[in-house]
Amino acid sequence: EAQVTQNPRYLITVTGKKLTVTCSQNMNHEYMSWYRQDPGLGLRQIYYSMNVEVTDKGDVPEGYKVSRKEKRNFPLILESPSPNQTSLYFCASSLRSRTSRLSGELFFGEGSRLTVL
Amino acid sequence: RKEVEQDPGPFNVPEGATVAFNCTYSNSASQSFFWYRQDCRKEPKLLMSVYSSGNEDGRFTAQLNRASQYISLLIRDSKLSDSATYLCVVNGETSGTYKYIFGTGTRLKVLA
Repeated sequence: EAQVTQNPRYLITVTGKKLTVTCSQNMNHEYMSWYRQDPGLGLRQIYYSMNVEVTDKGDVPEGYKVSRKEKRNFPLILESPSPNQTSLYFCASSLRSRTSRLSGELFFGEGSRLTVL
Repeated sequence: RKEVEQDPGPFNVPEGATVAFNCTYSNSASQSFFWYRQDCRKEPKLLMSVYSSGNEDGRFTAQLNRASQYISLLIRDSKLSDSATYLCVVNGETSGTYKYIFGTGTRLKVLA
């Protein structure tokens, strides 16, 4: 089954304790992205990756890191979480077209609800 | 001005009603357009892509107006199960990079 898998789905942690949210897709997609969703603000892009070893900042990258060592995995790292990073996080992936334009459907993981105390 | 704007609603409609949502976008170079559906606390899922000539999928019709830079979604014969948030998504180039840009969503409540 084609899917994007995120872990953990729920996490409560404390300020400053490093954590990683994993994301894996089995569709051989080049494009992967992380979003956070907060009430009234919609989905905001944190980081994205156009392919292996190619990552770039989205709209709200502060406090986050990512890596893309393999095509299928795109982990999100919070080196020193703070309460303002309490949010619902989504990983998504998409196929790039031959023209290198992103025109395809974005597939989302089920989301990771993070609470930082 | 936001890159993609939607009326947040909520739109409260009775079962069987027809309801329409609009979404405007600011980047005239936008390439692809989508409507996603999101249920509370769940991941967004593709409802339909929006094509230049307009397209229909059952009770759902999507339209694109490039000249006025808006897309629309029409839902006919609303069902209780249509209650959700509908996200407008635009894909386009910003500073040499293609990205997906999301509206904040329009909430729909279909009432019995």
